[in-house]
Amino acid sequence: GAGVSQSPSNKVTEKGKDVELRCDPISGHTALYWYRQRLGQGLEFLIYFQGNSAPDKSGLPSDRFSAERTGESVSTLTIQRTQQEDSAVYLCASSLEGTEVVELFFGEGSRLTVL
Amino acid sequence: LAKTTQPISMDSYEGQEVNITCSHNNIATNDYITWYQQFPSQGPRFIIQGYKTKVTNEVASLFIPADRKSSTLSLPRVSLSDTAVYYCLVGDTNNDMRFGAGTRLTVKP
Repeated sequence: GAGVSQSPSNKVTEKGKDVELRCDPISGHTALYWYRQRLGQGLEFLIYFQGNSAPDKSGLPSDRFSAERTGESVSTLTIQRTQQEDSAVYLCASSLEGTEVVELFFGEGSRLTVL
Repeated sequence: LAKTTQPISMDSYEGQEVNITCSHNNIATNDYITWYQQFPSQGPRFIIQGYKTKVTNEVASLFIPADRKSSTLSLPRVSLSDTAVYYCLVGDTNNDMRFGAGTRLTVKP
């Protein structure tokens, strides 16, 4: 596709359930980022993938959060045993590194509601 | 990683020039300064990026003083549609991009 695609766009789940959020980056983009945005707040960095390098996981808030990316393609963010404080919009972005201007292209986000 | 500080909110009126300043005292030599705009229910959108001095594009200008410890995003003649949250980021091209709380700009008629 032309842009970053995220799915599902909306997810309602019960406390304690696991959820998976998917991100399809722009084709050819080597870098991929996940962010969390709670209602009315700024973006909270979660994890960063760059090519085949080890990901920067320093933003993951707890061991219930994990993310994978195969090569330079799709990424999945998994939240295990969801809690109500996990309710937020999860945004994915990709970028083409190695260019003079590094621009992040964001998807529309996945809105997660934990009941 | 350089931390950024921005005003939480700003108000303006249509047709005015708006300047939003971001402080980044610990900016590193390799760090670039980037600004993003976010509308409700959308992901942020790139506005402008610079390293030093002044950068201008079709939507904004970015002023960076010689010490690079701050930067100012300038939006000429704002309209109601410029009401959004504006984020200042500092990072190098090989590093992660961490957003601050942003500045909520409200443009009034």
